[in-house]
Amino acid sequence: DAKTTQPPSMDCAEGRAANLPCNHSTISGNEYVYWYRQIHSQGPQYIIHGLKNNETNEMASLIITEDRKSSTLILPHATLRDTAVYYCIVRVVSHTGKLIFGQGTTLQVKP
Amino acid sequence: EPEVTQTPSHQVTQMGQEVILRCVPISNHLYFYWYRQILGQKVEFLVSFYNNEISEKSEIFDDQFSVERPDGSNFTLKIRSTKLEDSAMYFCASNPQPLVEQYFGPGTRLTVT
Repeated sequence: DAKTTQPPSMDCAEGRAANLPCNHSTISGNEYVYWYRQIHSQGPQYIIHGLKNNETNEMASLIITEDRKSSTLILPHATLRDTAVYYCIVRVVSHTGKLIFGQGTTLQVKP
Repeated sequence: EPEVTQTPSHQVTQMGQEVILRCVPISNHLYFYWYRQILGQKVEFLVSFYNNEISEKSEIFDDQFSVERPDGSNFTLKIRSTKLEDSAMYFCASNPQPLVEQYFGPGTRLTVT
């Protein structure tokens, strides 16, 4: 699975968009980009995933660059409850389904 | 909304004792996983399980660990002889197929003294 690089921490003002970057320059054609988050010590929570097209769901948008070497997770209107560690995971979809977590980005949403 | 449940929420045990951590995955899911997170560190994959057998395991998952799906609902992780370094939060997860999201349980905090 390709390696990912994320900033260790970011701040965002409540109500503003949070844009979380992820670099995955060694991604291969059959690898998907997944985003999960972990609020405090709870179990990780799935946010969104994509292969090459931009994706949007009720939680967030995922923007993947045309060369697929980087992506951005966008939380359109961050709330205090979005304070969490956000993980960008790149992986081949295999029959095992394992997720390999990095250190992630700690997003602090401030009032 | 269906959810993955885990019991107990906190388990304290003495070094050398056996522990069994229990998970009830979402009922129509077929793929099951265990992860652990040592305090302050990242979430680490332990094992994936499908069709009543291990499909992949990490280096952490040595002979001291085993998994079982004893009936149609439970999925257990057994640590045969616990060590101090096994102290961690253990998360169970499940999904209906590998491509889609994994649903994680709330975790069991294991403290080995």
